[in-house]
Parts: sequence; structure tokens; C-alpha cells
Amino acid sequence: AQSVTQLGSHVSVSEGALVLLRCNYSSSVPPYLFWYVQYPNQGLQLLLKYTSAATLVKGINGFEAEFKKSETSFHLTKPSAHMSDAAEYFCAVSRMDSSYKLIFGSGTRLLVRP
Amino acid sequence: DADVTQTPRNRITKTGKRIMLECSQTKGHDRMYWYRQDPGLGLRLIYYSFDVKDINKGEISDGYSVSRQAQAKFSLSLESAIPNQTALYFCATSDVDSAASTDTQYFGPGTRLTVL
Repeated sequence: AQSVTQLGSHVSVSEGALVLLRCNYSSSVPPYLFWYVQYPNQGLQLLLKYTSAATLVKGINGFEAEFKKSETSFHLTKPSAHMSDAAEYFCAVSRMDSSYKLIFGSGTRLLVRP
Repeated sequence: DADVTQTPRNRITKTGKRIMLECSQTKGHDRMYWYRQDPGLGLRLIYYSFDVKDINKGEISDGYSVSRQAQAKFSLSLESAIPNQTALYFCATSDVDSAASTDTQYFGPGTRLTVL
């Protein structure tokens, strides 16, 4: 069975500081991994995805994530936080088979302090 | 994403009432999904459909039913609503990315349902 664990339900950073949101996955088969962002009162928007090509994946809005098989991790980073980055972030995993079902983590709310 | 619309956006109802949430998409995708979001639990899959004649249960389908009226429309029904079905409901669509052998899901804005 697949699962996703996001460490920290809330992360607070200062504007301009490094953003690091942690995601660890469990999967018995090679996974696809995703990060989605949810702004207040909106649906989820794809930030980036890992599909077994490059292990360092660049996404929108300056975010990137690195797939580390040995650590079963897919942490999301951004060098310098903007106030507009305040949102909830979800990590998700799916199987490399025909089901394409996403399993979501519980989410991390990012707070950006002025 | 404006290509995936959900109606209504907010709904308050009473225990025992039948409720239908509707989802429409203009992306031309074959695959559609219904999720519910609860605080601290992330999103959980209720039902999914890979085409009009293919409907499948997700991890939490009890108490829900769906109808895929057309490629572009996928409705979720609560036959007899109960308070623990109070949640934020999302519809999503996807199409296969043949280059990457996976698909990307695109979400609607959500429906906030409150069952009193």
C-alpha cells in the first residue's frame, strides 16, 4: 500500500527565508510524486511532479523538489519566501500502473511573516 | 481552474436530505474524480470514472453515489446526508500524459457542504 507523510502541519518562515516542506512516501513500487498548492478558497493547483526522469524537479513560482529514493523523500523547497506563498501544500503519490489514483498527505500550511 | 466548475460552491442542508453536487469540465478529459477534504486528513478519494461507462469506488464511497452523465459531467450524490459528511468536496479531471506515462489531475474550486 502507498502512503504519504508530511512532517509539520504548520510551517512559519520570514519573508525572504528558505522554505522547506517535508514529504516522505511509502510505496512498494516505483512512485510518481506530486506537490499541489491550495490558496484560500480555491482548488488545488499542481506545483510540480516527479515521473522518474530527473530527480530534481522544478515547478512553478520558484519551487523545486528532489526525489531521494534512499530516503523515500520528496521535500519541497524555495530559496526565498514571498508573502504570496502563504497557502496549504499537499504532497501526493500515485502508482506507476493503470490506476493513476492519488494518495494525498495531510497537508502543511505555510505561514509567511513580514 | 476555470476549466473545471463545481455547483453549488456552498450548501447548508439538514440530516436526511438528499444532496447532489455537480461538476463540469471543458478540458476534454476522460477521467474524473470526486474527493473530500477534511482538516488534518488531506484529500480522500470517493469515486472515480475513467470514461462514461467506467465508474469505480474510491477509499471512502460509503454513503455516496455518482453519475457520469456525459464525458464533461460527473455528479456526486449524498442519498441521506449525515453531519459527518460535512466537508469540502473537490472534483478533478485528468488525461494521460503519454510522454511521462502518468496523468495530472486538475481540480475545481470546491463545494463547501455543511450538514446540520
